[in-house]
Parts: sequence; C-alpha cells; structure tokens
Amino acid sequence: QVQLQESGPGLMKPSETLSLTCAVSGDSISGYYWTWIRQPPGKRLEWIAYIYYSGINTNYNPSLKSRVTITVDTSKNQFSLKLKSVTAADTAVYYCARVSLSDSNLDYWGPGIMVTVSS
Amino acid sequence: DIQMTQSPSSLSASVGDRVTITCRASQSVITYLNWYQQKPGKAPNLLIYGAFNLQSGVPPRFSGSGSETDFTLTISSLQPEDFATYYCQHSYTTPWTFGQGTKVDMK
Repeated sequence: QVQLQESGPGLMKPSETLSLTCAVSGDSISGYYWTWIRQPPGKRLEWIAYIYYSGINTNYNPSLKSRVTITVDTSKNQFSLKLKSVTAADTAVYYCARVSLSDSNLDYWGPGIMVTVSS
Repeated sequence: DIQMTQSPSSLSASVGDRVTITCRASQSVITYLNWYQQKPGKAPNLLIYGAFNLQSGVPPRFSGSGSETDFTLTISSLQPEDFATYYCQHSYTTPWTFGQGTKVDMK
C-alpha cells in the first residue's frame, strides 16, 4: 500500500519561501508522476504542479508558475515543492499525491499539511 | 483553463436515497473526468476515474457517467458513511482543475 506524508512548516511570514517535502513509502517513486495540490480554507482544490520520477518532465499551473519549483529525489523516495514570496492567499492545506498511469487521476494522497501565512 | 461547475453545491438526503451530482466542463474533456470524496479534515479519495471506471475498493453503489462536457456521479443508495463533499476534476490537459464541490449532508 502506497503511503505519502507531507512535511514542512505550519506557519510562515509573508515574502518567505515555503518548502514542503512528500515522503513516499510502500512502493518506489519510480515509474510515476507525482503532484502537489492545495486547498485554501473553504475553497476548491487547486492543482499546483507535477513531476515525473526522473525529473525529466515537469508541469506547472500557469497561475503559480513564476513562484513554484517542484523537484524529486529518487534516492530518498521523495519529492518537494518550493513556493516563493508567499502571501496570505497561499494559506491552504497542501496535499501531495500520486498520478495514476491511467487517465492521470490522483489515486494516492498524503493526509495534507496546513500552512498558514501570517505576519 | 477549463472551468468545472458542479450542481448542486449542496444537498440534503436520507440514508437509502438515490443521489445524483452533476459536473459540467467549459469545454470537452472527452472522458478525462474523475470524482473524489472528501470528508472533513481528510484528503480526497478517488471514487471514479475516466468518467465511469470504479476505483478499486470503492463500493459499487457509486457510479459515473457522461462524456465531453456533462458528467454525473450517482450514489444508488446513500449510506451513513457517504455524507461528505464530492469533487469532480478533469485531467484532459493542464492546468487540471476541480469543481467547487457538492456537500451531501443529512436531511
């Protein structure tokens, strides 16, 4: 059974850089795409970015592309997200997830991590 | 971006009821349409992928239909554990986008 676990800071100040890591266990990170999704309080889910396990292919939501970097570390079986210059609008639960090989659905999710941006 | 619109935004139902939720895409997504269930404080859980394929382990009372721009999630007989919020999501092209959610609560 694949398990994902997000880690990172829960509280940040405006203008800082958010760094999140998703540790994958129960299976190898190889062979799949991996993605980050966020959900601001009371709002719909928003796709942020995805990356192929080799790092050779990445794709970003244009609304965040200028501030986001997604990377992968196959030696640690994990992938990461950096979001620069955060503001209160970046306050959200951040989820990592696996992209299924069929139809690009999201078949395994981490429990999520709440990130609050406040001065 | 492809906009996803669900209706209704909320509904009240009783155990045993048949529940139908619709999702409309602003342009065709063929059948690249997925449905998720989310309970408070939890991550979404995949129910249906490719518009009508039941994810492994999901009870058969859940079913999906539709293509192009109009899709439906049906719960044939609502169970107590089904009170939750349901989201559609397209994976036709990036950026992937989600509907605003449909909250199913107890009548």
